Amino acid sequence: QVQLQESGPGLVKPSETLSLTCTVSGGSINSYYWSWIRQPPGKGLEWIGYTYSSGSTNFHPSLKSRVTISTDTSKNQFSLKLYSVTTADTAVYYCARIRRESSGYRFDYWGQGTLVTVSS
Amino acid sequence: SSELTQDPAVSVALGQTVRITCQGDSLRSYYASWYQQKPGQAPVLVIYGSNNRPSGIPDRFSGSSSGSTSSLTITGAQAEDEADYYCNSRDNSANDVVFGGGTKLTVL
Repeated sequence: QVQLQESGPGLVKPSETLSLTCTVSGGSINSYYWSWIRQPPGKGLEWIGYTYSSGSTNFHPSLKSRVTISTDTSKNQFSLKLYSVTTADTAVYYCARIRRESSGYRFDYWGQGTLVTVSS
Repeated sequence: SSELTQDPAVSVALGQTVRITCQGDSLRSYYASWYQQKPGQAPVLVIYGSNNRPSGIPDRFSGSSSGSTSSLTITGAQAEDEADYYCNSRDNSANDVVFGGGTKLTVL
């Protein structure tokens, strides 16, 4: 059973960089796509971006200029960096595995989520 | 990018059938996937593809699609089905992901 676990600071100052890591266990990170999704308090889900194990990436158009996602296959991890954060970036951040098929996309495994608050 | 539209809230009497819908142009080309999210928990995939349930999802959950609308149906809703439900799909013009705004299901 694939399991995902987010880790990283729960508090980030405005204008600084939000950094999170997702550790995958119970399966290899290789040959799959991996994604970050966030959920502001009391609001809906927002896709941030995804990466393939080889390193190719795709990001939400509104976040593309501020985000990077990278993989470390040796540690079975992938990471998120969101630059120049504001209070609007306060959210629960989830990592998930995304299955990209010609018929559509689905997120089949999710981490438990981690709350990141942007505040001075 | 594409958008997916969901009704903000739906209610159903215990044991009755409820349909939750998701509307968007991308659904003419791609299937929606559906997620159940209970308070304080991560979303759980309940339906994907034409009408596929991951292991462990009760068979009272089913999916269907017609034109630009996809539907999640719960036949014989249980108290534990009270949750937020989200749809997602592939964007129509790019390899992006789109989510619906979510539907809060209340079981009366």
